[in-house]
Amino acid sequence: NAGVTQTPKFRILKIGQSMTLQCAQDMNHNYMYWYRQDPGMGLKLIYYSVGAGITDKGEVPNGYNVSRSTTEDFPLRLELAAPSQTSVYFCASRDGTGSGNTIYFGEGSWLTVV
Amino acid sequence: AQSVTQLGSHVSVSEGALVLLRCNYSSSVPPYLFWYVQYPNQGLQLLLKYTSAATLVKGINDFEAEFKKSETSFHLTKPSAHMSDAAEYFCAVSDRQNFVFGPGTRLSVLP
Repeated sequence: NAGVTQTPKFRILKIGQSMTLQCAQDMNHNYMYWYRQDPGMGLKLIYYSVGAGITDKGEVPNGYNVSRSTTEDFPLRLELAAPSQTSVYFCASRDGTGSGNTIYFGEGSWLTVV
Repeated sequence: AQSVTQLGSHVSVSEGALVLLRCNYSSSVPPYLFWYVQYPNQGLQLLLKYTSAATLVKGINDFEAEFKKSETSFHLTKPSAHMSDAAEYFCAVSDRQNFVFGPGTRLSVLP
């Protein structure tokens, strides 16, 4: 089973460039999330979606945008990259029909902005 | 609002010793609680979860956690540490929409 797939795994961006981190899940989960993880820190929620066409901000949304046109895909767009966006990004998904449902993570995308 | 605290950002144990990683939560509703493990350069994997059934939850790799409502705790234990247990461990609490993760505890296992 593929689960949650993120691409690219590694990327170096120059300041001011833009890019999109791709995320796809094949578990038919309605809830999807983007987190960032900085060295020695926990996970901070950037954006989440409770279903196709619905997105909402997490605790650190500035500098990012998302869209959810299908159940499967939840891309994260970085506009005008800044060094502060150097981080590891994790996409995740879960079946939101029950609070006890497990959240599944992708392998992560390592982004460096120079 | 829900929150999670993990006492100790870094815990070191000797191989074969007891592992105890602490997690306390706050929640306005009956909580669903999780422990995740993150090995270097990987995503997070589920170790175990509490969903209001038995208060003692057993997970993979001989880890277990006990839900104590009176102490609002969900501490993770393992009787005997292995070198392969060295990783980052995250406690999380869930409501219908969101997961809230603790800051994580890095476990080092010394030979």
